[in-house]
Amino acid sequence: GQNIDQPTEMTATEGAIVQINCTYQTSGFNGLFWYQQHAGEAPTFLSYNVLDGLEEKGRFSSFLSRSKGYSYLLLKELQMKDSASYLCAVIERDYKLSFGAGTTVTVRA
Amino acid sequence: IAGITQAPTSQILAAGRRMTLRCTQDMRHNAMYWYRQDLGLGLRLIHYSNTAGTTGKGEVPDGYSVSRANTDDFPLTLASAVPSQTSVYFCASSEGRADADTQYFGPGTRLTVL
Repeated sequence: GQNIDQPTEMTATEGAIVQINCTYQTSGFNGLFWYQQHAGEAPTFLSYNVLDGLEEKGRFSSFLSRSKGYSYLLLKELQMKDSASYLCAVIERDYKLSFGAGTTVTVRA
Repeated sequence: IAGITQAPTSQILAAGRRMTLRCTQDMRHNAMYWYRQDLGLGLRLIHYSNTAGTTGKGEVPDGYSVSRANTDDFPLTLASAVPSQTSVYFCASSEGRADADTQYFGPGTRLTVL
C-alpha cells in the first residue's frame, strides 16, 4: 500500500519561490508524478521523476531521492496563475497511481 | 482533438437510483481509469482497465461497476446510489506503457446523491 504525505496548504508572494515536499512509503516504486489542479478543473501533468536528481522545466523543477522516499516540487518566480493544488502521485510496480491529498498553494500580490 | 470527455458535467441524483457516468477518449490509449476526489482525501482509484475487454478493481470499488467494450469508452455505473458516493469523478487514460505512463484526465463529473 501507499502512504503519501504532503502539506495541506502553503502561501507565498508573487515573484517568490515555493517548495512543496512529498514523502512516500511504498512496497514498490516505479516513478513519481506531480500534477497541477486549478479549482474546479482536472489535474494536469507537470513532471515525472524515476531516477534520483533534479528535473527542470522552465519555472518548475522536481527533485527525487528514492533512498529517502522524498520528492519536492519547486515553483520559481511565482505568478498569480500558479495558485492551485499540487498533487504528488507515486506509481508502484503494478503501474497503479496513488495520490497524496494535495497541497493548495495561494499566491498573494 | 478532444482528448477525454466526460458526461454529464454535473448531476443531482436521488439515493437508490441507477446512474452511469460516461467517459470517452480519442487518443487510442490502452489504459483507462476512474477516480473519485473528495476533500482532504485526494484522488482515489475506483476501477481501471489496462486494455479493451479487461477491467480491474482499484482502492474503492464497492458500489461501482465498469465495462470496457472498446478502446474509446469506459463507463462507470452506480447500481444503487448512496449519499456517500457524492463526489467529483474523474476519468483518465494513458498509453499503458511500462514506464513514464502519464495519465491524462477528463474534466470531471460532479455528482450529488441526496
